[in-house]
Amino acid sequence: DSGVTQTPKHLITATGQRVTLRCSPRSGDLSVYWYQQSLDQGLQFLIQYYNGEERAKGNILERFSAQQFPDLHSELNLSSLELGDSALYFCASSGTVSGELFFGEGSRLTVL
Amino acid sequence: GQQVMQIPQYQHVQEGEDFTTYCNSSTTLSNIQWYKQRPGGHPVFLIQLVKSGEVKKQKRLTFQFGEAKKNSSLHITATQTTDVGTYFCAGRSGSARQLTFGSGTQLTVLP
Repeated sequence: DSGVTQTPKHLITATGQRVTLRCSPRSGDLSVYWYQQSLDQGLQFLIQYYNGEERAKGNILERFSAQQFPDLHSELNLSSLELGDSALYFCASSGTVSGELFFGEGSRLTVL
Repeated sequence: GQQVMQIPQYQHVQEGEDFTTYCNSSTTLSNIQWYKQRPGGHPVFLIQLVKSGEVKKQKRLTFQFGEAKKNSSLHITATQTTDVGTYFCAGRSGSARQLTFGSGTQLTVLP
């Protein structure tokens, strides 16, 4: 158990819909990262937050947005969903800026 | 932007054989991390290398960071079925805040 909690574990929705994925980092970790992993693919960096502020942005689509709240949990919002958005979305947290990442178990999104 | 490439993409070995995966970055890295993802699981941190030429060992696993801090390798001696999974390297360059993952090497160990 990494201490990072992601909900929901599985989500099935239709094209054009909007979903929100939630992440609770390990207790005390200020950094939250979001990654997308498509089938048999690597981990694509989406976005990073540190103590509520956006710190780094990767190849995140304009249809996607995220935020980190004062209690440090984070949400990733995916809108106008397309079939190609089907993937495993991982959240990770870190206690330091350059330290190891602790990953949650992921949220598997299926867009039909 | 920063790119991290990893080879091979797939590797099948007989149990007891050695295994090596290589990671190359387009830019100089401030540090490199290695993760393992078991089938159906999430990435789990293995180790971080920071110094040029650094070598670290964890039981049968040996990690190296190149002298130029642009490449790294993971070597597993005498693989076991428990080593099955995908091994990712991840690097952060001095100017980039994000941690960029390599494409991973999927290791299959045949009993």
